[in-house]
Amino acid sequence: GIQVEQSPPDLILQEGANSTLRCNFSDSVNNLQWFHQNPWGQLINLFYIPSGTKQNGRLSATTVATERYSLLYISSSQTTDSGVYFCAVHRYNFNKFYFGSGTKLNVKP
Amino acid sequence: NAGVTQTPKFRVLKTGQSMTLLCAQDMNHEYMYWYRQDPGMGLRLIHYSVGEGTTAKGEVPDGYNVSRLKKQNFLLGLESAAPSQTSVYFCASSTRGGPTDEQYFGPGTRLTVT
Repeated sequence: GIQVEQSPPDLILQEGANSTLRCNFSDSVNNLQWFHQNPWGQLINLFYIPSGTKQNGRLSATTVATERYSLLYISSSQTTDSGVYFCAVHRYNFNKFYFGSGTKLNVKP
Repeated sequence: NAGVTQTPKFRVLKTGQSMTLLCAQDMNHEYMYWYRQDPGMGLRLIHYSVGEGTTAKGEVPDGYNVSRLKKQNFLLGLESAAPSQTSVYFCASSTRGGPTDEQYFGPGTRLTVT
């Protein structure tokens, strides 16, 4: 299988601060997704980003597939950003996604 | 589109009882998955299906069975529930291995086995 490591495991921010979350993976992948699990447990798709850079409002993500990592940037954080952020990767011949253990983010007012 | 739905949302079982969790998707996706999530952990794959009539084991299949009789439905069964199966169960679906193979999740089922 593919090993997926996320860092940091825990992060506490003051509202308005910026942060960078990292996802490293052990093998080449065809797809990569970032998810946000909110405090109510819902898993929300943030980005589908197998390579390159995408932006959506205050969030952006970059994947460098050749170096096997992806970064999620959160700017001007808000309390509603709190929750756990998961990275998941996929390879066609493995027929399934591999998840990291997540980064737990707590944004304080 | 409702996306991915799960039934029920909550359930409490006694040890030894059986139950079936239903996952339904209306996006015509080929692939469907069942995960469990335990406190402080990521998601672990229980079983998955690459199309109607097919199923395969994931990382933690013991104690669970699945069926995919219709493309839009994926059922997860617990024949004899154990306290170790207390968890939150998520169903997901995705298209067939194409360039837009995003995975979409249902809202989850919180199961407690006493």
